[in-house]
Amino acid sequence: GAVVSQHPSWVICKSGTSVKIECRSLDFQATTMFWYRQFPKQSLMLMATSNEGSKATYEQGVEKDKFLINHASLTLSTLTVTSAHPEDSSFYICSASFRTDTQYFGPGTRLTVL
Amino acid sequence: SQKIEQNSEALNIQEGKTATLTCNYTNYSPAYLQWYRQDPGRGPVFLLLIRENEKEKRKERLKVTFDTTLKQSLFHITASQPADSATYLCALGASGGYNKLIFGAGTRLAVHP
Repeated sequence: GAVVSQHPSWVICKSGTSVKIECRSLDFQATTMFWYRQFPKQSLMLMATSNEGSKATYEQGVEKDKFLINHASLTLSTLTVTSAHPEDSSFYICSASFRTDTQYFGPGTRLTVL
Repeated sequence: SQKIEQNSEALNIQEGKTATLTCNYTNYSPAYLQWYRQDPGRGPVFLLLIRENEKEKRKERLKVTFDTTLKQSLFHITASQPADSATYLCALGASGGYNKLIFGAGTRLAVHP
């Protein structure tokens, strides 16, 4: 149980384009979903927290207009990287939880911006 | 500011031995602490959670201790196997609200046959 999927698993795009990443909880309803970014050999950095039906809460230093988060249902959250640039290239990981302290992570999405 | 330290150097051990990983933290009083395993290019996988009022937790070959006085957690893998080779992440959490986690950078474990 507690399976979280992400799509796509990797994406390459040109600078200036927008990329959407989907995060789904497959066998449970996620009251909260989290989005992280991880650079090589570094820790996971929380970008934002989202609850179904409400606006996402962004961490300090994360541009909300650049990283658009939509938590449309209890099983789906999306992260859209708008006008992506090479410095946005990273490993993006989502996680989901249901009224517990445990987060279940997706497999991650590797974004490369050329 | 809050800081989590995990040994940045890889830990190399022989198969069958016990691996011990350390997580130290400062400027934080977590309500609980979690350990995750992360394989290259993959998302973290939850292993164990230990709360501030617990000293020790076990799950199969895994054991975690939590010393809130020392601000330290130790993670043990007994009878280690090459399949245990991965990066292990320590994460601190505060109850209430949205249960945010703060992650350490992880320690790479390599178990050699």
